[in-house]
Amino acid sequence: QQQVKQSPQSLIVQKGGISIINCAYENTAFDYFPWYQQFPGKGPALLIAIRPDVSEKKEGRFTISFNKSAKQFSLHIMDSQPGDSATYFCAASTGNQFYFGTGTSLTVIP
Amino acid sequence: EAGVAQSPRYKIIEKRQSVAFWCNPISGHATLYWYQQILGQGPKLLIQFQNNGVVDDSQLPKDRFSAERLKGVDSTLKIQPAKLEDSAVYLCASSLLYTDTQYFGPGTRLTVL
Repeated sequence: QQQVKQSPQSLIVQKGGISIINCAYENTAFDYFPWYQQFPGKGPALLIAIRPDVSEKKEGRFTISFNKSAKQFSLHIMDSQPGDSATYFCAASTGNQFYFGTGTSLTVIP
Repeated sequence: EAGVAQSPRYKIIEKRQSVAFWCNPISGHATLYWYQQILGQGPKLLIQFQNNGVVDDSQLPKDRFSAERLKGVDSTLKIQPAKLEDSAVYLCASSLLYTDTQYFGPGTRLTVL
């Protein structure tokens, strides 16, 4: 059973556009929701994270929107750049239990 | 600050052989994780250590996988015997005690033929 469902599987965006990746979860015990960025041949790197007591968190061009009642959260990448081309994973955690989504391959076209 | 180190980076073995992976976490990080990442999927947590004790190993296939973290620093993950479906990247991550931010190593890519 997939604990965290992520969509879309792949995304192509023009340079300067907005990239949006969505995730949904079922377990209301999750209390930490990070997004990771992974380049080929590298391990995932933490991009931004949110806890369920806030609805939005912004760091530079990256924003997480969190909807607790809908059990959904999303990553928005503003002014997308070719260097943002990578695979993005959402995740959810209860502390001991840590679950990743299936990943979204983002390609930003110059 | 040095990151999480893993070795080897690549390993090719025949099915039914055994293999071991090594991880050296960031200095001072008490929590260590091993993940399995199958091609095209997100990482799956196999085992979590705090210092040298196991916190969670509910998704570790214990009939063939084992892991240890002697002295609460380095860790090894072993597969014996390997199956074709074990082909994956094995990622090690570490974090400070009681914090959520995990730092990942580059992974070991295992191919089982």
